[in-house]
Amino acid sequence: NAGVTQTPKFRILKIGQSMTLQCTQDMNHNYMYWYRQDPGMGLKLIYYSVGAGITDKGEVPNGYNVSRSTTEDFPLRLELAAPSQTSVYFCASSYGGQGGGGETQYFGPGTRLLVL
Amino acid sequence: AQSVSQHNHHVILSEAASLELGCNYSYGGTVNLFWYVQYPGQHLQLLLKYFSGDPLVKGIKGFEAEFIKSKFSFNLRKPSVQWSDTAEYFCAVNGETGFQKLVFGTGTRLLVSP
Repeated sequence: NAGVTQTPKFRILKIGQSMTLQCTQDMNHNYMYWYRQDPGMGLKLIYYSVGAGITDKGEVPNGYNVSRSTTEDFPLRLELAAPSQTSVYFCASSYGGQGGGGETQYFGPGTRLLVL
Repeated sequence: AQSVSQHNHHVILSEAASLELGCNYSYGGTVNLFWYVQYPGQHLQLLLKYFSGDPLVKGIKGFEAEFIKSKFSFNLRKPSVQWSDTAEYFCAVNGETGFQKLVFGTGTRLLVSP
């Protein structure tokens, strides 16, 4: 299994440009997540999905959009890039089948985004 | 809102020293607790977790953590660190905002000198 894969690894955007960060998992996990990691700030949840067709906002959703048309894919869309969106973005997935919340989240390698 | 505090932002140790990283959380209800590790250039991976049962949890690579409910704490320990333990360590908790939504601490960067 490849686990959770993310593309691209690194991207530079100009202010106002748009882009999509790709995330794919091959573990047949129901739940998927997008986080951003800023220096000294830990990880903040942007959006998450509990299954195909179902998404919900996390702690810092402004400026982002997501969709979940398949179990495997969970792309993150930035419509109008701003310098405040310079960050490292991590996608994660978990099984989500048992509830109780003790399930492990598996993380992708991250996408480093620089908005100038 | 639920929060997680990691008071040690940077820790420097020599090899063979003992390690304890603090983690405190704010929610008084049922929680699940996690420690994740991020080695240089790698993605986050699970070190250990507390779900229920024995409050002393053992994880990979000789790490352990103790859930003390009365102190709202889940400190990470290792009796003897190695150079390869150099990494950033994140405590995380879920519960108050839904059991699938993890809240992370700000991380502790550990440097182990050989």
